[in-house]
Amino acid sequence: GAVVSQHPSWVICKSGTSVKIECRSLDFQATTMFWYRQFPKQSLMLMATSNEGSKATYEQGVEKDKFLINHASLTLSTLTVTSAHPEDSSFYICSASSRVTEAFFGQGTRLTVV
Amino acid sequence: GQNIDQPTEMTATEGAIVQINCTYQTSGFNGLFWYQQHAGEAPTFLSYNVLDGLEEKGRFSSFLSRSKGYSYLLLKELQMKDSASYLCAVRDSNYQLIWGAGTKLIIKP
Repeated sequence: GAVVSQHPSWVICKSGTSVKIECRSLDFQATTMFWYRQFPKQSLMLMATSNEGSKATYEQGVEKDKFLINHASLTLSTLTVTSAHPEDSSFYICSASSRVTEAFFGQGTRLTVV
Repeated sequence: GQNIDQPTEMTATEGAIVQINCTYQTSGFNGLFWYQQHAGEAPTFLSYNVLDGLEEKGRFSSFLSRSKGYSYLLLKELQMKDSASYLCAVRDSNYQLIWGAGTKLIIKP
């Protein structure tokens, strides 16, 4: 199957700083990318959907000014957690799909804000 | 609006059979996907249905009825490792993927 690479796999940052997470589709053009968040013992929660070249569509309750999503090319989307706080500590995961493929998931990023 | 409904949580016994339902209301239909996710890991693709009927893959089967906007994932001979979340997703007429919130399946001995 296709490969989606997510980087970094884990990151620790200080409260108030920003963290950028990258999601790359390595061998196909991803017209759509999705970003999710998962807190311990909870289900995966969709944060936003982004189509290449368009603004991301955020799910209800997700602050678009705090979670900046950029999908500038068909192979790269980034999620920036701005002014991170301990409550933003979570498992973040991306997935990428095209019109003719299923969604392929990255390996996830474990963010810890101290 | 577009909507996908699946139960939040289900419990089943090891060795038994469980059926996880998914109903959808979307603008058009271009396929339905099921994924399995263990907490803290990337979801893995389980099945894809685009035509009505049952698709079987080992212990897992997925069924689709487009006229009813309905699918289910059937898991047989349940094992403890099947404890996970199961995600249903539908591709609409614009080829956008619409995701359900997932069903957490708990397997008890």
